[in-house]
Amino acid sequence: AQSVTQLDSQVPVFEEAPVELRCNYSSSVSVYLFWYVQYPNQGLQLLLKYLSGSTLVKGINGFEAEFNKSQTSFHLRKPSVHISDTAEYFCAVRSGNQFYFGTGTSLTVIP
Amino acid sequence: DAGVIQSPRHEVTEMGQEVTLRCKPISGHNSLFWYRQTMMRGLELLIYFNNNVPIDDSGMPEDRFSAKMPNASFSTLKIQPSEPRDSAVYFCASSQRAARTDTQYFGPGTRLTVL
Repeated sequence: AQSVTQLDSQVPVFEEAPVELRCNYSSSVSVYLFWYVQYPNQGLQLLLKYLSGSTLVKGINGFEAEFNKSQTSFHLRKPSVHISDTAEYFCAVRSGNQFYFGTGTSLTVIP
Repeated sequence: DAGVIQSPRHEVTEMGQEVTLRCKPISGHNSLFWYRQTMMRGLELLIYFNNNVPIDDSGMPEDRFSAKMPNASFSTLKIQPSEPRDSAVYFCASSQRAARTDTQYFGPGTRLTVL
């Protein structure tokens, strides 16, 4: 079975600074990778997804992620964060019929 | 599009009571997923349906949990009897198909508190 690891449970960062949220998964066999964002008291929204092709994926709100097969990673990045980016971020892997989520990273943007 | 609709948004009940959570997927979507989110365990897939048929219920924690999808526009997740450890946020999500590449669209969740 797959496992998804988000090593950083909380990431505080100053406004306009860059940020990277890390995600590693256990197996690279036929996987599809997703990042979701969850704002307080809301459901999850898709930020971006990697299905195939270019390993650099651009998503909404200025986020991007890079698929690294050799390191089984799919880290999320943004060059300059805004206060409105404060939220919980989930990495997810689809493998077979199953969907596996990481435990989430709480991003707090400090003014 | 109204998105995935869940009701109620909040539910507080006493241990032993029956709880029913409801979900209306996005129109035209053929797959529906139920998730549970807790601080301790994160987001867990409980069950998913494809064309109203349960495909994988291996995530359902125990027999107290049951889910149905009587038609393409409605699903329920029932807990009977409820226990305090069932307290969590329950999300419903839908996708156009069950294909691995399809995006899941999540509802706002139902926050369940069992006293």
